[in-house]
Amino acid sequence: QKEVEQDPGPLSVPEGAIVSLNCTYSNSAFQYFMWYRQYSRKGPELLMYTYSSGNKEDGRFTAQVDKSSKYISLFIRDSQPSDSATYLCAMSYLAGTALIFGKGTTLSVSS
Amino acid sequence: DTAVSQTPKYLVTQMGNDKSIKCEQNLGHDTMYWYKQDSKKFLKIMFSYNNKELIINETVPNRFSPKSPDKAHLNLHINSLELGDSAVYFCASSPGAGGEKLFFGSGTQLSVL
Repeated sequence: QKEVEQDPGPLSVPEGAIVSLNCTYSNSAFQYFMWYRQYSRKGPELLMYTYSSGNKEDGRFTAQVDKSSKYISLFIRDSQPSDSATYLCAMSYLAGTALIFGKGTTLSVSS
Repeated sequence: DTAVSQTPKYLVTQMGNDKSIKCEQNLGHDTMYWYKQDSKKFLKIMFSYNNKELIINETVPNRFSPKSPDKAHLNLHINSLELGDSAVYFCASSPGAGGEKLFFGSGTQLSVL
């Protein structure tokens, strides 16, 4: 079993839809959870950062971490065509250790 | 004013050649990284340096050698290039040694023919 599993999609939704992106992981030692967004031919950019369990909201984006289920989610409300990108989950055991990335989910939002 | 810049953006070369990719960050971060992204978009760490010292060295062939002349620069030299080295190589930096909040460059697309 891979350390971090993420459905690669592609996921296609109409503009205005609520999008749910998910990752599961196998190692309960992970403490830091992130979502990165990567546009085509660009480097990933940090979107959301969460330590341990709980929710975090930033504008149209909400990140959820459920450590008991080893499951993290990213919700995008009122999705826009500009949200079309690949979304990568990432996590690490301790501050200063390497990030383990999921394979990314490709999202397409049509107008 | 680009935060993490890497050159070249594209690199096309023949098998067996030696090539270098350069990276510079102007964010004042202490830690820099090299990541490799394969054709399936899987992003994997190769190396990280904190204040010019190597702190992470994943299972990478010896043909890959990073060099950090100062904490704002991290270069990657690759000897005897192989077809399997074709990928996008990303440089990144983070404040302190905490690798969570990474700032990535725009990548170097390496194609080995």
